[in-house]
Amino acid sequence: EPEVTQTPSHQVTQMGQEVILRCVPISNHLYFYWYRQILGQKVEFLVSFYNNEISEKSEIFDDQFSVERPDGSNFTLKIRSTKLEDSAMYFCASSLQGSNTEAFFGQGTRLTVV
Amino acid sequence: QKEVEQDPGPLSVPEGAIVSLNCTYSNSAFQYFMWYRQYSRKGPELLMYTYSSGNKEDGRFTAQVDKSSKYISLFIRDSQPSDSATYLCAMRGGGNKLTFGTGTQLKVEL
Repeated sequence: EPEVTQTPSHQVTQMGQEVILRCVPISNHLYFYWYRQILGQKVEFLVSFYNNEISEKSEIFDDQFSVERPDGSNFTLKIRSTKLEDSAMYFCASSLQGSNTEAFFGQGTRLTVV
Repeated sequence: QKEVEQDPGPLSVPEGAIVSLNCTYSNSAFQYFMWYRQYSRKGPELLMYTYSSGNKEDGRFTAQVDKSSKYISLFIRDSQPSDSATYLCAMRGGGNKLTFGTGTQLKVEL
């Protein structure tokens, strides 16, 4: 069964460092997303990406964040200068089309900023 | 008022019970509704997807949507210990982002 895969499963980084979280969406999907979940809180939308550009982003997704699809299979989230409050689970998701189709999530990357 | 309200639980039921999980929402623009199951420190796993009022059944799971009342439900029949997890409702309007509830923690006891 096709699935969204994310690497690494756990990343520890020092405050102020840059991190790149990687995702391989389901191969025929066209829409890609990043969500985050701070421990004990709800899953929050960060950004959606379609046709090589951001289609929607939340207030959380400020200038410290960027996304890229560097090749035909990978989708990355970069946090330029990490803060302690960036510690969270980051989930990548993909959907075949936009709002009217299901979104499938990866297993997440747990980011710990120390 | 929060866009999506979900009782966080925890909800504890005996094995074999029928479980009812619910969400209410305030945004009339929401048209597409999903239920996800999330095990501890894992990604949300899609269980059900609906876009019209009424019921949709898949095995032991039934999703119910009442758009007039802005209320959605997930029923689990013959609950098993392996159903113990957090259940998240999520919904979308015209855009692509999903808005999640806080999740209901369910424990099915032997």
